[in-house]
Amino acid sequence: ELKVEQNPLFLSMQEGKNYTIYCNYSTTSDRLYWYRQDPGKSLESLFVLLSNGAVKQEGRLMASLDTKARLSTLHITAAVHDLSATYFCAVDGSVGGYQKVTFGTGTKLQVIP
Amino acid sequence: KAGVTQTPRYLIKTRGQQVTLSCSPISGHRSVSWYQQTPGQGLQFLFEYFSETQRNKGNFPGRFSGRQFSNSRSEMNVSTLELGDSALYLCASSDQLADTQYFGPGTRLTVL
Repeated sequence: ELKVEQNPLFLSMQEGKNYTIYCNYSTTSDRLYWYRQDPGKSLESLFVLLSNGAVKQEGRLMASLDTKARLSTLHITAAVHDLSATYFCAVDGSVGGYQKVTFGTGTKLQVIP
Repeated sequence: KAGVTQTPRYLIKTRGQQVTLSCSPISGHRSVSWYQQTPGQGLQFLFEYFSETQRNKGNFPGRFSGRQFSNSRSEMNVSTLELGDSALYLCASSDQLADTQYFGPGTRLTVL
């Protein structure tokens, strides 16, 4: 059974600081997703990482994937208050090409002005 | 393009009743997945449909079922509701298998 672990679960950081969220998963997968969820809202897709060594950046967020280590990171650069949200990684544990996505527990990020 | 829509947005039911939730995917998307989100269990995969066929199913009891219509709209049904079924139910659509998923606003179900 595919397991996805995120750490930390909670992260309080000051504006302007850098930090990294880690996502480890237990079985082979070539597809990993990062999502953002604001309180009371649905999920917003941030990144889709499709191959080993993939790196994607959008604004102050950068995501990378190491399939050999079964590890993805979401790096936050010079955090701003608007980045406060819960961030989820999700791994596609497809068997036979069918989609079955397993989510991590989420990292609740609070950026303090 | 219009986004993923879910109806109703809020529901209150009592134990033992059944409920049907609806999801309309983004136009042209043929894959629809359903997820349950609770504070205790987090986000859990329910099932995925592609071209009217259930392709995958998560670890939920048989009380949870779904279907997809020829226009890709999907419904999920929960019978004999239990208190633990109270959750936010999210629907997501994508245009190819394992491609980016676009989530709807969710249906918040409360079981009393």
